[in-house]
Amino acid sequence: EDQVTQSPEALRLQEGESSSLNCSYTVSGLRGLFWYRQDPGKGPEFLFTLYSAGEEKEKERLKATLTKKESFLHITAPKPEDSATYLCAVQGDQAGTALIFGKGTTLSVSS
Amino acid sequence: DSGVTQTPKHLITATGQRVTLRCSPRSGDLSVYWYQQSLDQGLQFLIQYYNGEERAKGNILERFSAQQFPDLHSELNLSSLELGDSALYFCASSVEGTNSPLHFGNGTRLTVT
Repeated sequence: EDQVTQSPEALRLQEGESSSLNCSYTVSGLRGLFWYRQDPGKGPEFLFTLYSAGEEKEKERLKATLTKKESFLHITAPKPEDSATYLCAVQGDQAGTALIFGKGTTLSVSS
Repeated sequence: DSGVTQTPKHLITATGQRVTLRCSPRSGDLSVYWYQQSLDQGLQFLIQYYNGEERAKGNILERFSAQQFPDLHSELNLSSLELGDSALYFCASSVEGTNSPLHFGNGTRLTVT
């Protein structure tokens, strides 16, 4: 069964304090690993797709990386507006094109 | 704005009742997915439709059903509601094909009393 585990569950940072979120996965036939951002009361917003080990994607203060067993979302010099829940998901052979999500990491950045 | 529209935004109903949630996908997207999000379980995949046909099933209860209409909008029907069905229900759509990201609506918050 495809499974995604995210850690930590919650993370509090000071503005400018860089850190990383972890996503560990087990999946049959990884087709893609996806990162989303979710704000309270909103639907998840797509950030990145990673397809193969060694791949990296960047967007503003966020950088996502992928290995054969896990992915990291690095946040450099975060700002309060980066506060949100970050969700990791995988697409594999078992659920067709549906995504299987982890429970997320809730990030709080204070000024 | 993702382009995915869900109605209603909020729904309050009693145990044993039946409700229908509606989703309009992004223009051009043929696939529609339904997810349930609760505090303890996270986002759980329920069911996917592609161009009117059921494509994949996840953890969908027998009391729940869905369909996709010729104009590609989709409805999720929840019946014999229980307190535990209270959750956020999200619809997502995508261009069909592997590696395609899903684009989510802002959800329907269902409260069963």
